[in-house]
Amino acid sequence: ETVMTQSPTSMSTSIGERVTLNCKASQSVGINVDWYQQTPGQSPKLLIYGASNRHTGVPDRFTGSGFGRDFTLTISNMEAEDLAVYYCLQYGSIPYTFGAGTKLELK
Amino acid sequence: QVTLKESGPGILQPSQTLSLTCTFSGFSLSTYGMGVGWIRQPSGKGLEWLANIWWDDDKYYNPSLKNRLTISKDTSNNQAFLKITNVDTADTATYYCARSPRTVAPDYWGQGVMVTVSS
Repeated sequence: ETVMTQSPTSMSTSIGERVTLNCKASQSVGINVDWYQQTPGQSPKLLIYGASNRHTGVPDRFTGSGFGRDFTLTISNMEAEDLAVYYCLQYGSIPYTFGAGTKLELK
Repeated sequence: QVTLKESGPGILQPSQTLSLTCTFSGFSLSTYGMGVGWIRQPSGKGLEWLANIWWDDDKYYNPSLKNRLTISKDTSNNQAFLKITNVDTADTATYYCARSPRTVAPDYWGQGVMVTVSS
């Protein structure tokens, strides 16, 4: 099983800040990584698929990058609505596996 | 517009079989490359992928649940199903179904259905 390790576990941020979230796979998964955003009481929403492709309707302040084992989600200009838990998912091998999540909070 | 909605029993007892239904619209499971997946999330915890079924009836399961999972579909009625046998309290979670094309993995998710296993 491919283990996805997200860092940091939580992060205190400010509105307008640039935020970088990391996800490291225990083995290469190519570009088969998605990023999801989950707010309390809601289902996860796809932000990025194939490591770097924005899903329909996702603001361009969200950028994904990476290949192989190391992946990054960057929020260029943090907004209040971006306070959430972010998960990475690898779908390069079965079983698909999620990271444990990064929680973004306000400073 | 892609929508999915899960339904289930709400509460069941240990050792019973959990049966979940996903009813969807806006896409077809007969379309090449299309799939539906199931994912669960215990309250306050992370996400766990359970199973996927594709347009050609190919099925993938999470080995951690051993042989307890069965995924199936009814293409004509735009539904997918998941059964989990011999449930216990560790299966208490919100269960989501999601459209899951082969090249993208889960993209559109349902609202989730909460399932509690309790005696």
